[in-house]
Amino acid sequence: DTGVSQDPRHKITKRGQNVTFRCDPISEHNRLYWYRQTLGQGPEFLTYFQNEAQLEKSRLLSDRFSAERPKGSFSTLEIQRTEQGDSAMYLCASSLDGIPPNEQFFGPGTRLTVL
Amino acid sequence: LAKTTQPISMDSYEGQEVNITCSHNNIATNDYITWYQQFPSQGPRFIIQGYKTKVTNEVASLFIPADRKSSTLSLPRVSLSDTAVYYCLVGAMGMNRDDKIIFGKGTRLHILP
Repeated sequence: DTGVSQDPRHKITKRGQNVTFRCDPISEHNRLYWYRQTLGQGPEFLTYFQNEAQLEKSRLLSDRFSAERPKGSFSTLEIQRTEQGDSAMYLCASSLDGIPPNEQFFGPGTRLTVL
Repeated sequence: LAKTTQPISMDSYEGQEVNITCSHNNIATNDYITWYQQFPSQGPRFIIQGYKTKVTNEVASLFIPADRKSSTLSLPRVSLSDTAVYYCLVGAMGMNRDDKIIFGKGTRLHILP
């Protein structure tokens, strides 16, 4: 399968713990995005990378959130000191840079539950 | 970033054509209009994209009037498997623009037998 993969698919943690999610984009895609989605809402943009550079971060991304994309390949999203409000589906997507904006390919998501 | 407004939900029957209209009054000159589909517990999936007039692919058609302040996604002969949330997005990624897309709440389409 050459699509976007995310790991783990589900994560249950206790409030105050740190969690890390991984996203493996489609190999030739230079752009990688992170979104968060809560029930009944559309995905909310968190941040995106072009190659290894993090080009934009949403105001939703508090200091407890950090994302990396070393070497411009896979990416990790870490949430420190999790809160119950962090419970959501975390989606990763990748695309090729271009005009018009190229299709974003989404992974299956990581569902986080903070108890 | 141009905001979009679309109906919260729609019902239709199998075999019917479904049209979902999206308003984007402050669309910018270099913004494109893109539609995504999302099934429960899955990530969104690209359906179609356009800039002006009409675009058609094997899944849907996208109608964009001359003023580009709205767009209509047309799904021909829907089936039960078309039940999903449909998002209208407006944005232009690339040089000189914000490089993110904003999802609204989408339109929940429910196809009835």
